[in-house]
Formats: sequence, C-alpha cells, structure tokens
Amino acid sequence: AQTVTQSQPEMSVQEAETVTLSCTYDTSESDYYLFWYKQPPSRQMILVIRQEAYKQQNATENRFSVNFQKAAKSFSLKISDSQLGDAAMYFCAYKSGANSKLTFGKGITLSVRP
Amino acid sequence: GAVVSQHPSRVICKSGTSVKIECRSLDFQATTMFWYRQFPKKSLMLMATSNEGSKATYEQGVEKDKFLINHASLTLSTLTVTSAHPEDSSFYICSARRRTNTGELFFGEGSRLTVL
Repeated sequence: AQTVTQSQPEMSVQEAETVTLSCTYDTSESDYYLFWYKQPPSRQMILVIRQEAYKQQNATENRFSVNFQKAAKSFSLKISDSQLGDAAMYFCAYKSGANSKLTFGKGITLSVRP
Repeated sequence: GAVVSQHPSRVICKSGTSVKIECRSLDFQATTMFWYRQFPKKSLMLMATSNEGSKATYEQGVEKDKFLINHASLTLSTLTVTSAHPEDSSFYICSARRRTNTGELFFGEGSRLTVL
C-alpha cells in the first residue's frame, strides 16, 4: 500500500521569505501522480501543484515549486515570497495511475508572520 | 475550471435522525466521486468511492449501512448519514474525477455536520 509522510506538523515563515514543506512517499508503482493541496481556514481544498512521476522536470506554478526526487521518493514544496494568504494547512497527496484514489499525508500547518 | 458544490455547508440535527449531503459537479461529468471525513486539524480520511450507476466501494472500517452513498447521475452523489449520533459530527468533503483522467480531483467546499 502507498503511504505519504509529512513529518513536520507545523512550520512558520516570515512574510516575503521562502519556506520548504517536506513530503516523502512509498510506492512500488512506476505510474503515479503527486499533489500538494492547500486547505485555508475556509476548509476548501485547493490544488497548489501537481507532478506526474514520468516527468523529470520539477513542476512550477508562480511562487510554488516542487523538488521531486523520484529515487528518494521525496516531493517537497517550496513557497517563495511568502504571503499572509499562504497561511493554511498543506497536504501532500499521492495518486496511483491505476485508480483515482488520493492518499493524503497528515498535513502541515503553515503560519506566516507579518 | 471544474466546480464541485456541496450542500448543505452546515447542518445540525438531533441524534437518531438522518442527514443527506449532496455533492454536485457543476460544469463537468464526474464518473467517480469520493467522500472523505476530516476531524479538526487532521488529514482527510477516505470513506468511500462512488461510481456512477454502481454500488459504492467502502473503505475498511466504514459502516456502509450507516453512511449510505448514492451516485445516481454523472453530476450528483449523495451521502446519507443514517441514525446520526454525536460521534458522527465531523466535516465531510467530497471530490470528483472528470471523465478524462488528468489525474486531478476537484473538491467540494465541505459540509459541517453537528449531531446534538
């Protein structure tokens, strides 16, 4: 079974600074997708970024980028120029290419200091 | 973008009653919908997978007679919490997968259930 591990329950970053959220996963599959979701206080899950396992290039979406290390099964999220609106819970998630189920990590609460 | 709407967003009910939560994909056809439960500051726990026109597949430990799931059309899935108890109080979230598998799931806004 696939597992997703987010070992840091909380992190804090100064506004305008950069923060990296870590995530590791375990799988024996070769075809899969990885995601980072943001859940602000409104509880609405928002997709931040996605990465297909077959792509070697790290995904980037504006201030958000990932460091995908396939051999190490690591998928960290870097948030640059942190903003107050980035404060939220962030979940790392895995999806097999064979089905649609998402396996979530425990999440990390990110706070942004003004 | 793909929009998934949940209704109601908040519901309060008495113990022993049943509550229905709807999950609709507003601008796409969802062949598969998922129902999750989330406790405060915790991760999302998958309860069941709902495929249009067939019976839902429940995760281990989830009572299918208590959490009835129906996926009657390509745009609507419902979760009915039967004979609700206070321990069923939680945040319930649905997500939907499009016909074309891009790998991405789209989430509803969630429904807060409080059982008195």
